[in-house]
Amino acid sequence: AQSVTQPDIHITVSEGASLELRCNYSYGATPYLFWYVQSPGQGLQLLLKYFSGDTLVQGIKGFEAEFKRSQSSFNLRKPSVHWSDAAEYFCAVGRDSGTYKYIFGTGTRLKVLA
Amino acid sequence: EPEVTQTPSHQVTQMGQEVILRCVPISNHLYFYWYRQILGQKVEFLVSFYNNEISEKSEIFDDQFSVERPDGSNFTLKIRSTKLEDSAMYFCASKRDSRGYEKLFFGSGTQLSVL
Repeated sequence: AQSVTQPDIHITVSEGASLELRCNYSYGATPYLFWYVQSPGQGLQLLLKYFSGDTLVQGIKGFEAEFKRSQSSFNLRKPSVHWSDAAEYFCAVGRDSGTYKYIFGTGTRLKVLA
Repeated sequence: EPEVTQTPSHQVTQMGQEVILRCVPISNHLYFYWYRQILGQKVEFLVSFYNNEISEKSEIFDDQFSVERPDGSNFTLKIRSTKLEDSAMYFCASKRDSRGYEKLFFGSGTQLSVL
């Protein structure tokens, strides 16, 4: 069965520091992988996605993620965090089917210190 | 960017009451979804809907839940007799087509509180 693990429930970084949020997945075929961000009171906004090709994908707001098949990982990175990046980040895996539901991880809450 | 709209943003109800959560998906989308997020937990799939019928549903989506697309624009989730454990943020989402890598567009959610 598909599953997604985000091992870090909370992460705190200082503004300007680099960030890496971890995501590991379990899936029997080539996964479709996504990172979503949820700001307080907001819905889920897609940051980036991977489905094929270059394993390093660029997203919005300066985020990138790298797909590593050997490690079953899709970690999210940002070289310099801004205070506005404080939010909850969800990794999700999907499959190619007519209904195409996503499986989400439990989320990582990011706190940014000024 | 087009948006999925959900109303109301907050809904408070008494246990045992019926609630209807409303969503207006993006107009040219064909696949519709409800997810929920209990406070502090992960976002969970409830149901998917395509061609005016349920395509897939999770174990959570029992007989107390139903979905409907009554008029070609709205997509509703009804909980027939709410329980305390139904308290959660409910997200509606839509998708243009069936391709696996097409992204889901999510609404901003309805926070349901069952007292």
